[in-house]
Amino acid sequence: GAVVSQHPSRVICKSGTSVKIECRSLDFQATTMFWYRQFPKQSLMLMATSNEGSKATYEQGVEKDKFLINHASLTLSTLTVTSAHPEDSSFYICSVRRGNPNTEAFFGQGTRLTVV
Amino acid sequence: DAKTTQPPSMDCAEGRAANLPCNHSTISGNEYVYWYRQIHSQGPQYIIHGLKNNETNEMASLIITEDRKSSTLILPHATLRDTAVYYCIVRVVNKLSFGAGTTVTVRA
Repeated sequence: GAVVSQHPSRVICKSGTSVKIECRSLDFQATTMFWYRQFPKQSLMLMATSNEGSKATYEQGVEKDKFLINHASLTLSTLTVTSAHPEDSSFYICSVRRGNPNTEAFFGQGTRLTVV
Repeated sequence: DAKTTQPPSMDCAEGRAANLPCNHSTISGNEYVYWYRQIHSQGPQYIIHGLKNNETNEMASLIITEDRKSSTLILPHATLRDTAVYYCIVRVVNKLSFGAGTTVTVRA
């Protein structure tokens, strides 16, 4: 069964609005979750590392004020795309991993965001 | 993290074994090799990982060379549903960084 649940699977929003994407760890508590973005015909790019109870760590070039990450519990992290623009249209994917850093990571099914 | 090199694409016949190579010549002693695959419009799926010993699970086998500079993922009996992009990743802690991967097309 699924280890990670991501919601919604697809969303269409208007330019200038904000969109929230949820990532839930179903099987275990996750102190760390990861958010990726994937443009068409490209590979996954890590955006940020979400840490439960503390601020997220963003990769270089990712605007923290535009992509708000909240990891309020051990099973839920949210990514909010604020003031969305058409260039933010992409496939957003979250990932969780058990405590041991050398274990495998599990990925959500992804969220297809289209900004019109 | 060490950089990996994979062929951009490969075809294989349904029912035959698929051997996917990966070069990671700069891998360090404590970095694991991970394999994931991504079927179109889905999140990546974990396949297998290893440090230096060969590994096998219900999905695949992972063969790592003795010097650890390369590895091969083996899908023993490829099916049409194995058509996907396969990513070979090495990392030491936390982050998984995805390269371009190998687009594998299984043909009937």
